[in-house]
Amino acid sequence: DTGVSQDPRHKITKRGQNVTFRCDPISEHNRLYWYRQTLGQGPEFLTYFQNEAQLEKSRLLSDRFSAERPKGSFSTLEIQRTEQGDSAMYLCASSSSRVKNEQYFGPGTRLTVT
Amino acid sequence: QKEVEQDPGPLSVPEGAIVSLNCTYSNSAFQYFMWYRQYSRKGPELLMYTYSSGNKEDGRFTAQVDKSSKYISLFIRDSQPSDSATYLCAMIGNTGNQFYFGTGTSLTVIP
Repeated sequence: DTGVSQDPRHKITKRGQNVTFRCDPISEHNRLYWYRQTLGQGPEFLTYFQNEAQLEKSRLLSDRFSAERPKGSFSTLEIQRTEQGDSAMYLCASSSSRVKNEQYFGPGTRLTVT
Repeated sequence: QKEVEQDPGPLSVPEGAIVSLNCTYSNSAFQYFMWYRQYSRKGPELLMYTYSSGNKEDGRFTAQVDKSSKYISLFIRDSQPSDSATYLCAMIGNTGNQFYFGTGTSLTVIP
């Protein structure tokens, strides 16, 4: 297994545009998490899936953000009407229910909103 | 008050030194305590974790948890330039699904 992968690695977009990121978790992991990380800060939890069900969402996840995990495999995170404050690294992580604390991160998608 | 507090540093040490990294937390429900290493512009990499109180050793790395003081530590022995990175602590409870991260401590090991 090659670990968690994310695509794209970098995205530059203009304010007001919509962007979508993809995450492919480790294949046997049923839990998937999205985080946002800004410079000098730790990852901030955005949302969590167990299989295809989205079970938790942070208050940070405004209504411009939506995440899906169809069929419990890959996940997408969409940001509509991007704002400059959305510029950050978006990290995806996965784990299994049996060992939920062993969370493995992808390389992240760096978003720059101009 | 943040759930997890971590001194951001930066911390600079000579090669071969013992490094001590620490976090404090406020939520007594936390049971799993993780340490991640993050190189610049990369995703965090899980180093090790501890359940509840006690010590855990893995090579040059030792993790300690003191639940009575709500204080966790990561010690790095014989530090190497390749250890230069940001170290993040993270925590989760038995029943929760949300991980709480510290801000990270930036470490530079000087050859």
